[in-house]
Amino acid sequence: AQRVTQPEKLLSVFKGAPVELKCNYSYSGSPELFWYVQYSRQRLQLLLRHISRESIKGFTADLNKGETSFHLKKPFAQEEDSAMYYCALIYSNTGKLIFGQGTTLQVKP
Amino acid sequence: EPEVTQTPSHQVTQMGQEVILRCVPISNHLYFYWYRQILGQKVEFLVSFYNNEISEKSEIFDDQFSVERPDGSNFTLKIRSTKLEDSAMYFCASSRDYSSTDTQYFGPGTRLTVL
Repeated sequence: AQRVTQPEKLLSVFKGAPVELKCNYSYSGSPELFWYVQYSRQRLQLLLRHISRESIKGFTADLNKGETSFHLKKPFAQEEDSAMYYCALIYSNTGKLIFGQGTTLQVKP
Repeated sequence: EPEVTQTPSHQVTQMGQEVILRCVPISNHLYFYWYRQILGQKVEFLVSFYNNEISEKSEIFDDQFSVERPDGSNFTLKIRSTKLEDSAMYFCASSRDYSSTDTQYFGPGTRLTVL
């Protein structure tokens, strides 16, 4: 069965520290993964997708099929990165997104 | 930039009542979705909709739920007889395509409270 796991509910770091938000998945086919972000009082929005291999707002994520992981990383956290982050897997036939539990990132000054 | 809109932002209803949650997807999008998030839990897929038909529905989406695109712009989710456990945030989303190269854009959500 398809599943996305984010083991940390809360990650708290100081400004300037590196950040790694963990995401593991279970999927029988070839996975296509995303990170969505929800800033306070705002809607869910796409941060990045693995297929694009892009860096957005300094964040990157690499798909590791051996470890079935798609961790989100940023070398130097900023206070404005504080938000809820969701890892998601797409079931391509219908666009269904399967979300992880979400991790709250708190960046302290 | 165009956005998905949802109304109302908050709906309070009595158990057993019918509710209709409304969404206006982005105008050139063809695929529409409803998700829900019970407080403290993950965002869960409910249903996807394309070409006036349900493409896929989850096991949550039972006979009490229905979706409709009544007029070419609105996309609605109806819950026929609400239960306490239907209390959640309901998100509408839309995309041009269903593939991973296309982005699902989410609305701000409707908070449904069933008393």
